[in-house]
Amino acid sequence: DTGVSQNPRHKITKRGQNVTFRCDPISEHNRLYWYRQTLGQGPEFLTYFQNEAQLEKSRLLSDRFSAERPKGSFSTLEIQRTEQGDSAMYLCASSSGDYNSPLHFGNGTRLTVT
Amino acid sequence: GQNIDQPTEMTATEGAIVQINCTYQTSGFNGLFWYQQHAGEAPTFLSYNVLDGLEEKGRFSSFLSRSKGYSYLLLKELQMKDSASYLCAVRDLANAGKSTFGDGTTLTVKP
Repeated sequence: DTGVSQNPRHKITKRGQNVTFRCDPISEHNRLYWYRQTLGQGPEFLTYFQNEAQLEKSRLLSDRFSAERPKGSFSTLEIQRTEQGDSAMYLCASSSGDYNSPLHFGNGTRLTVT
Repeated sequence: GQNIDQPTEMTATEGAIVQINCTYQTSGFNGLFWYQQHAGEAPTFLSYNVLDGLEEKGRFSSFLSRSKGYSYLLLKELQMKDSASYLCAVRDLANAGKSTFGDGTTLTVKP
């Protein structure tokens, strides 16, 4: 168990640019989640996958956000035309399909939009 | 949807006991999780409750009352390293994998 891996750890971009983040979950986990967290807040749900199927996407998520998990393994989260309000920590987590399985989080990608 | 409330901050003394409360209103319930998050780090799992009652795990215990929409995390024999944010999260029934988080309780342990 090597844990959940996220890349990059930090990303600084200018407003209007596109960014893409990668998440490699724990290999035997079939569920993968993306959350966003800002200072003083809890993680906010963005989307989740079971294998390669995207089962839910937050209604708070604009069309500028898209996520994929093409082979049911790693996932990417893309933000197009970034805005300053997108600055946050983007957390990826994975879990097994068991009802009592907790989320295992990666160390996150911190995005700063200037 | 889910609505989860926790106190924003708490302070306690090393060696003492502290109880962190969480109340929730939910359209569906499939378990409640507590996570610990140190500053600048990812959340890590502490405990899980799906049935009413107390779950004990070393210095940490968690309690759930489904009828009251209430849980608490009890930390005993506090240590300085317990200073962190404690997040309450409710797992949805309809979407069995999705968890909704509260904003966390920042605990400061003083010597």
